[in-house]
Amino acid sequence: DTAVSQTPKYLVTQMGNDKSIKCEQNLGHDTMYWYKQDSKKFLKIMFSYNNKELIINETVPNRFSPKSPDKAHLNLHINSLELGDSAVYFCASSQAYYNEQFFGPGTRLTVL
Amino acid sequence: AQKVTQAQTEISVVEKEDVTLDCVYETRDTTYYLFWYKQPPSGELVFLIRRNSFDEQNEISGRYSWNFQKSTSSFNFTITASQVVDSAVYFCALTLNQAGTALIFGKGTTLSVSS
Repeated sequence: DTAVSQTPKYLVTQMGNDKSIKCEQNLGHDTMYWYKQDSKKFLKIMFSYNNKELIINETVPNRFSPKSPDKAHLNLHINSLELGDSAVYFCASSQAYYNEQFFGPGTRLTVL
Repeated sequence: AQKVTQAQTEISVVEKEDVTLDCVYETRDTTYYLFWYKQPPSGELVFLIRRNSFDEQNEISGRYSWNFQKSTSSFNFTITASQVVDSAVYFCALTLNQAGTALIFGKGTTLSVSS
C-alpha cells in the first residue's frame, strides 16, 4: 500500500556512469516532484511535473533529465555522474501544488 | 523571493521537557501555505501540518502544537513532554499560491531527545 515508491533505495556507481531512479505514486495525484537533499540535509526542488508536463526546472545541470510517461510515474535519469551528485533524491507527489506533498523513501546515490 | 529560516540548527532536550522549534518565513505574497515535515533517523519525510496564510488559528494535535503569527512571519512548532521517538530533523517549508511553485524548505532543526 505504498503511496510513493522509489527504486532503487541505494545506488552506488562510478563517476561517468549513467543511472536512473524510478518513482511511482498510487495516490492519484496530478503533480510530482524531484528534490535533492545534500549532505547537510538541505532539501531543494529540482523538477516538478503536472499532468506529465514539466512545470519547474530549477538550475540543475542538463545531465539530469526527468521523464514522466504518465501521471503516476516520474523518473530521473542522470548522465555522466559526478562526485557532487552524491545525495539523497526524493520523489514526491501532491494533489495540486498547494497541498501537502507526500514523499517517497528516498534514493541514496553515492558516486565513487 | 521567498525564504524560510530555521535559526536553531540543533536542540538537545531530556525526555518530558517541552521544546519549541522556530520558523520564520519571508514572502511578499498574501496567499501562501506553510508546512512542517519530520525526518526521523530512518530518513523518510513525514508530513505533519499544513497551514494557509488566512488561517491564523493555532493548532494542537496530541503533544504537538503550532503557533502561526503573521505579524512576526513565524510558524513555530512546540512538542510537549518530548519523547525519545521525537528525535528527528524537523523542516519548516513554504509554498505560494501559484502553479509552478514547490516547497521552499528551511535548513532544518535537529532535535535530540535523551532519556
